Amino acid sequence: QITLKESGPTLVKPTQTLTLTCTFSGFSLSTSGVGVGWIRQPPGKALEWLALIYWNDDNRYSPSLKSRLTITKDTSKNQVVITMANMDPVDTATYYCAHRRDWYFDLWGRGTLVTVSS
Amino acid sequence: QSVLTQPPSVSGAPGQRVTISCTGSRSNIGTGYDVHWYQQLPGTAPKLLIYGNYNRPSGVPDRFSGSKSGTSASLAITGLQTDDEADYYCQSYDSSLSAWVFGGGTKLTVL
Repeated sequence: QITLKESGPTLVKPTQTLTLTCTFSGFSLSTSGVGVGWIRQPPGKALEWLALIYWNDDNRYSPSLKSRLTITKDTSKNQVVITMANMDPVDTATYYCAHRRDWYFDLWGRGTLVTVSS
Repeated sequence: QSVLTQPPSVSGAPGQRVTISCTGSRSNIGTGYDVHWYQQLPGTAPKLLIYGNYNRPSGVPDRFSGSKSGTSASLAITGLQTDDEADYYCQSYDSSLSAWVFGGGTKLTVL
């Protein structure tokens, strides 16, 4: 059974760097073909894909946010970490991590709400 | 402005059939990338509803069906139930952006 869970701060100040951790079970990021992605959703708005990391350390980023994002993995801990620099109030959102299968996300974490405010 | 276009809302009475459209372009749906659909019940995470244009994951009722043609796709829900009230999102991959892309979401109201 695959599960994913996001963790990190619920409140960050503008200009700070956000670091979120996705802890998963039921699969290994050392297995060929496996990937984990991050998706966010501002309150009342649509889903937005942020980044994805593959088992082979190949990383993909949203073109509009690429300069601010870094995604890494710790295979031994079954974790994927995303950092987003220079946070702004418009980055207030629920951040989800999800297991990638082919070209879609078949299983999602419950999400974590991050508020950007001074 | 989402890369994939969905109607903001649709509605139907219990038992009726509704469809939700998802319009893309030649760099995503039109170039052959599959369309996938997610259901997001109020206050919960998105759940995969349809993958690969028309495939249902285990546990998804056959009241939900998907189709794709050209640069568009559709999600059909038959026998509407009050539990179907949710936001529905389509998703594909865009080769020009090299990005996974979502629609703007459609809120389904069961009258």
